[in-house]
Amino acid sequence: QQQVKQSPQSLIVQKGGISIINCAYENTAFDYFPWYQQFPGKGPALLIAIRPDVSEKKEGRFTISFNKSAKQFSLHIMDSQPGDSATYFCAASEWGQNFVFGPGTRLSVLP
Amino acid sequence: EAGVAQSPRYKIIEKRQSVAFWCNPISGHATLYWYQQILGQGPKLLIQFQNNGVVDDSQLPKDRFSAERLKGVDSTLKIQPAKLEDSAVYLCASSLGQTGGSLYEQYFGPGTRLTVT
Repeated sequence: QQQVKQSPQSLIVQKGGISIINCAYENTAFDYFPWYQQFPGKGPALLIAIRPDVSEKKEGRFTISFNKSAKQFSLHIMDSQPGDSATYFCAASEWGQNFVFGPGTRLSVLP
Repeated sequence: EAGVAQSPRYKIIEKRQSVAFWCNPISGHATLYWYQQILGQGPKLLIQFQNNGVVDDSQLPKDRFSAERLKGVDSTLKIQPAKLEDSAVYLCASSLGQTGGSLYEQYFGPGTRLTVT
């Protein structure tokens, strides 16, 4: 029940395209859903996060879509750039505790 | 603003040896987390501190792992004795606190890469 599932495992997108990564959870007590970006040899960096009281949040080229009834949320990267090539992790938390991360999606953006 | 500091960056030890990692969180951050990230996987929470108290250590293998944050600032994570399966990157993160919204935002350090041979 604590698991967060993430797909796809890897994703190749052309420059300027849209990258979409999906996550699903079971624990309905989760109330905070962040996305992290990680480059090789670096720690994860927070990209954007959402609470379950909203269905969508946009920050620049990054958008989270949240479907509470389906217990799913997704990250959309618009106008993908080669510099976006990294591993992306979704996560979920319950009152700032019990942080659970997905297994990650390796994104490659081709120039 | 200085980020989360961790040391050492790399460590190679033999199995059954002991090792310690150090973390200094962002100034003013009350919550500190230790994660284990095995190659190709997402980070796994080991322990969470709020100031100098433990909030969650349910996934910490307590027979060999220990952690402390005595003065509510920096923290150490120790493994004794190490096993081959402990080879991973150990990440430290900090956040302002637990009362919601942006206070949950975690800032990660660069991690310590541990290799157990």
